[in-house]
Amino acid sequence: EVQLVESGGALVQPGGSLRLSCVASEFSVSDNFMTWVRQAPGKGLEWLSIIYTDVTGGRTYYADSVVGRFTISRDSSQNTLYLQMNSLRADDTAVYYCGSGPGTVDYWGQGTLVTVSS
Amino acid sequence: DIMMTQSPASLSVSPGERATLSCRASQSVSSKLGWYQHKPGQVPRLLIYGASIRATGVPARFTGNGSGTEFTLTISSLRSEDVAVYYCQQYNNRPPWTFGQGTKVEIK
Repeated sequence: EVQLVESGGALVQPGGSLRLSCVASEFSVSDNFMTWVRQAPGKGLEWLSIIYTDVTGGRTYYADSVVGRFTISRDSSQNTLYLQMNSLRADDTAVYYCGSGPGTVDYWGQGTLVTVSS
Repeated sequence: DIMMTQSPASLSVSPGERATLSCRASQSVSSKLGWYQHKPGQVPRLLIYGASIRATGVPARFTGNGSGTEFTLTISSLRSEDVAVYYCQQYNNRPPWTFGQGTKVEIK
């Protein structure tokens, strides 16, 4: 059974940085399109970023709200997806989900909470 | 970026009745449209992809239709377990992908 487990969520001050991890089981993060989605408190789902498979070039794309601040990457040896988040703001407070799928998100992790506050 | 607009924002339907949710794209997304169900305290679940194809294990009472800019998700006979927020998401051509703002479905 495919499992995605996020970690790394924490309380961080505005302007700070955080790296989220998503470990995959029964599933290769290099052979699948991997995505990050978030949900702020009381808000809807927001698509953030995708990294393509190795065979399709490993291209990365971002939502306008995070471009230049967030970086998606993966470590094939650890079978882990990452989201490096810099210059964090209060409105980045959310539950962050990793997922997979070339367009739709077919598999979802349980999510990890990031709180940006002083 | 393509903007997705869902309506209504909330919907109250009696058990056994039909619920119809709408999703509109700011430009054509062909049939590159998915629907998700998100229950409180749970992880979102993919219901429909390709505008009308049910994901594995999704009950037949969930039907997706549409193409281009206008899409609908119909729950033919609402059950209590269908109470959730439903999101559409486009994935046409090249990212960024985008979600609609959601429709909350409640039991009347």
